[in-house]
Amino acid sequence: DIQMTQSPASLSASVGETVTITCRASENIYSYLAWYQQKQGKSPQLLVYNAKTLAEGVPSRFSGSGSGTQFSLKINSLQPEDFGSYYCQHHYGTPYTFGGGTKLEIK
Amino acid sequence: QVQLKESGPGLVAPSQSLSITCTVSGFSLTSYGVSWVRQPPGKGLEWLGVIWGDGSTNYHSALISRLSISKDNSKSQVFLKLNSLQTDDTATYYCAKEGDGNYEDYWGQGTTLTVSS
Repeated sequence: DIQMTQSPASLSASVGETVTITCRASENIYSYLAWYQQKQGKSPQLLVYNAKTLAEGVPSRFSGSGSGTQFSLKINSLQPEDFGSYYCQHHYGTPYTFGGGTKLEIK
Repeated sequence: QVQLKESGPGLVAPSQSLSITCTVSGFSLTSYGVSWVRQPPGKGLEWLGVIWGDGSTNYHSALISRLSISKDNSKSQVFLKLNSLQTDDTATYYCAKEGDGNYEDYWGQGTTLTVSS
């Protein structure tokens, strides 16, 4: 199975800051990577798929990049509603494993 | 619009079986796959398995001996069955629609399962 390693596990930032979350795959997954946001007590929501394509309705301050084994999610000018947990997931053959998650908290 | 809603028993005793139903609307189960994902309390997401539009399935290798996913297209329902439950199966269980590229583009609200005697 492909392993997904996400970093950092937690991150503290202020409104207006720019943050980057990284995700590494244990083998080449080309661009088959998705990012999800999950707020406390809610179900995950798709942010990015195919490594860099924003899902419908996702603000342009979010951007995804990378290919192969190294990927990142960048959030420009953090807004209060951006705080929560973020997960990467590969979608290159089952099982579609998730990264361990990054908890983004308000500083 | 696309909606998914899980319904489950809430509490199951150890060694028993779990059955959860995912009722969908806004898309056809013959055209899109539905995955199951779970999240233990305070922990991350774990992908469990998927049933595709043609009825074929794929399961997480760690659960393949205990997990079964099926569906009733006419009722727009997908079923998860997990046997021989242990306390570490305690989690919120989500069903999610597969997008065109095999990512989960719509999620249900989740149903919480506690395994306890």
